[in-house]
Amino acid sequence: EDQVTQSPEALRLQEGESSSLNCSYTVSGLRGLFWYRQDPGKGPEFLFTLYSAGEEKEKERLKATLTKKESFLHITAPKPEDSATYLCAVQAINQAGTALIFGKGTTLSVSS
Amino acid sequence: DAGVTQSPTHLIKTRGQQVTLRCSPKSGHDTVSWYQQALGQGPQFIFQYYEEEERQRGNFPDRFSGHQFPNYSSELNVNALLLGDSALYLCASSLYGGAVNEQFFGPGTRLTVL
Repeated sequence: EDQVTQSPEALRLQEGESSSLNCSYTVSGLRGLFWYRQDPGKGPEFLFTLYSAGEEKEKERLKATLTKKESFLHITAPKPEDSATYLCAVQAINQAGTALIFGKGTTLSVSS
Repeated sequence: DAGVTQSPTHLIKTRGQQVTLRCSPKSGHDTVSWYQQALGQGPQFIFQYYEEEERQRGNFPDRFSGHQFPNYSSELNVNALLLGDSALYLCASSLYGGAVNEQFFGPGTRLTVL
């Protein structure tokens, strides 16, 4: 069964304290791995798509990496405005459509 | 360029009632997917529509049904509401068969069942 596990569930950082969020996945064939940011009560906001092991994407203070079993979202020198829930999702090859399978997310709190 | 829009924003219903939620996809997109997000959980896939047909369905009962219109907009219908149907319902749009498969989400509809 395809599944996604994110850790930790919650992470508290001081402003400027870099860290990483983990996304472990099990999927029969990976079409893509996606990272989203979600603010309370709002829809997820697309951040990155990764397609193959070794791939890296960057956007401002965020950098996403992918291996054959997991993905990391590295946050460098975070600011309070980076506080949000970060969701990881996978899309499998052997399916009729392009459904996303999500993890439960990591809730990040950055204090000044 | 308008993103994904959903209506209504909030909805309160009682058990046993029926509800219809609406979604307009991002300009240029032809595929709509619906997700249910319970509090503290990740979104769960309900179903996906392309060319006015249901292309893929998640593990949800038949009480959940949908429709896609020729202009690519979509509706999600839920019959015989249960307390457990209270959640944030998210619509996502994408381009079917594209080289990239990003799905872009709307703001969601918060459904409360009393």
